Formats: sequence, C-alpha cells, structure tokens
Amino acid sequence: GAVVSQHPSWVICKSGTSVKIECRSLDFQATTMFWYRQFPKQSLMLMATSNEGSKATYEQGVEKDKFLINHASLTLSTLTVTSAHPEDSSFYICSARVEVAAQETQYFGPGTRLLVL
Amino acid sequence: GQNIDQPTEMTATEGAIVQINCTYQTSGFNGLFWYQQHAGEAPTFLSYNVLDGLEEKGRFSSFLSRSKGYSYLLLKELQMKDSASYLCAVMDSNYQLIWGAGTKLIIKP
Repeated sequence: GAVVSQHPSWVICKSGTSVKIECRSLDFQATTMFWYRQFPKQSLMLMATSNEGSKATYEQGVEKDKFLINHASLTLSTLTVTSAHPEDSSFYICSARVEVAAQETQYFGPGTRLLVL
Repeated sequence: GQNIDQPTEMTATEGAIVQINCTYQTSGFNGLFWYQQHAGEAPTFLSYNVLDGLEEKGRFSSFLSRSKGYSYLLLKELQMKDSASYLCAVMDSNYQLIWGAGTKLIIKP
C-alpha cells in the first residue's frame, strides 16, 4: 500500500525556536496533503489542507502565520511551527489524499512528537 | 517490517451487528487505536486498547489480544450514520502510529 513518512519522529526544542516537519509520500504523488494535531486519546484535529503549488487552506482558529505550510512538490509538504511555545507541544500527523479507482483514500503518516520546553 | 491488515470493505444491514478485524505486526506495542472517518472529515477517536480484553463504549466495543496481534471493533445496532471508514492504528515502541488502510463500512437499509 501507499506509504507516507514524516521527519523527524521526535522534536524537543526550546521555546521561541522554529521547527520544521516534513511529510513525504514515498511511492505516489499527492496533490493534496492534510496536517492534523492530536492530543492524547483524542480525535485528530485538522489544521490545514496543503495543496501542491498553491496556498494552504487553514481551519478556523489555526494561525497561518504560526503554522507555515509549504507544498512545493507532489511528494513533499512541510509544516513549520514558528516561535514554538509549550502549548504547541503535541503529536502532529500528516496524511496524503489519493484517488484509487474513483475512490478517495487518505494515507496517514506515523506522526511527529513535538515537545517545546 | 511493520504491517497492519484490515478488510478493505464490508457491508452490513441497518440494525445488525458488524465486526471489523485488525491484525498487526509491529516493532513493539504501545496501544491500538480505532478511528472513524466520514468522507471529507478528520478521523474521530473511537477507542484505545493497551491491555487484553474487551472495552465497551455504548454501541461500540473494541477487543484486543496482544499475543495474537489481533483486535476487532464491534458495532451494534447499526445506524445509517455508521457508514464510514474505520481505521486501525498501532503505536509502536517509538510511539509512532502505524496505520491500517481502513475498512469502508457500507450500511444498507
């Protein structure tokens, strides 16, 4: 099946620094990727929809200047958490949308744990 | 390698019971999650099992057998709104999620 990877797996950083997380589709191209954050045992909360070659679409309440998304190629989307603070500590998960036989499917990445000290 | 298997698609009748199976082979185990995802929406958390046995939550129950690398999600009294994809995910020893491809559940009247 399709594989989505994320890098890094873990990030520990000081408050005020910026952190970049990569999401890659390894064996397929994805014009659309999604970024989610998840708190323990809770539902994934959609942050933004990343579209290749155009600006990302952010969900209500998500600061676009704080969570910068770049989808520069069909296999890579990046999420940069700028000036990270402890409240940004979370589990960030990306997914890639694929259409197979006219059916839409999402393939999820393994997640990136961010801890801001 | 790491692997999660679940059926691609299942069909059931409104009011009936359906069991969605999930088998896994992962490097380490820190719990198994079930999510429901309606088309165009984010996955919704349904259950988390880390110990063997059955966890019941309303119409939904989830079972885990760590020795067999097996889990199932049981949905009772099916409703039309239960038509969705059901995702099984295992957290491995690095606390990363390994995702199944999802089971599309179709409910017929």
